Amino acid sequence: ILNVEQSPQSLHVQEGDSTNFTCSFPSSNFYALHWYRWETAKSPEALFVMTLNGDEKKKGRISATLNTKEGYSYLYIKGSQPEDSATYLCAFNSGGYQKVTFGTGTKLQVIP
Amino acid sequence: DVKVTQSSRYLVKRTGEKVFLECVQDMDHENMFWYRQDPGLGLRLIYFSYDVKMKEKGDIPEGYSVSREKKERFSLILESASTNQTSMYLCASTLGGRSYEQYFGPGTRLTVT
Repeated sequence: ILNVEQSPQSLHVQEGDSTNFTCSFPSSNFYALHWYRWETAKSPEALFVMTLNGDEKKKGRISATLNTKEGYSYLYIKGSQPEDSATYLCAFNSGGYQKVTFGTGTKLQVIP
Repeated sequence: DVKVTQSSRYLVKRTGEKVFLECVQDMDHENMFWYRQDPGLGLRLIYFSYDVKMKEKGDIPEGYSVSREKKERFSLILESASTNQTSMYLCASTLGGRSYEQYFGPGTRLTVT
């Protein structure tokens, strides 16, 4: 079983603060790294899927970077809003397979 | 929009019962997955299927089986439900090829008493 680690496990920030979380994954046999947002009572939804070392992706106030050589990815949220409150999951594909391994997630709560 | 649906949002079953969880996707995706989610453990893969009638064990297949008779439908079967199978079950699908993004269903919260 591949090991995908996320930190921190949970986070409380004030509205307007910027924040970031980390996902660590095995650096060998890398294929793709995903970030998902999972809001309470909803399904996880994909934010980004990244495949190339040095990839940076952005969607509104959320962005992500990828370092496949050292095996980590950062997710950044600029100017957090209460609607950003969710669990953020990262997942890792290796070897070209469709099967992914998920981290345990970072639970973000944005306090108004 | 890809839509993945699951047969029930909430289900309560008794120990020893046979339980079927159904998942349907409407976008002709090649691959389908069943996960369970437990506090502190994240999403763990039970089984996945990469084609009709094809299946592969995930990380925690014990106590479960699956069926994929049609491309759009993937069923998870608990042959004899036990209390340690109380969990949230999520189905997902991916298009396949070089497309890895997972599309999730709404989940089924199963309680085994």
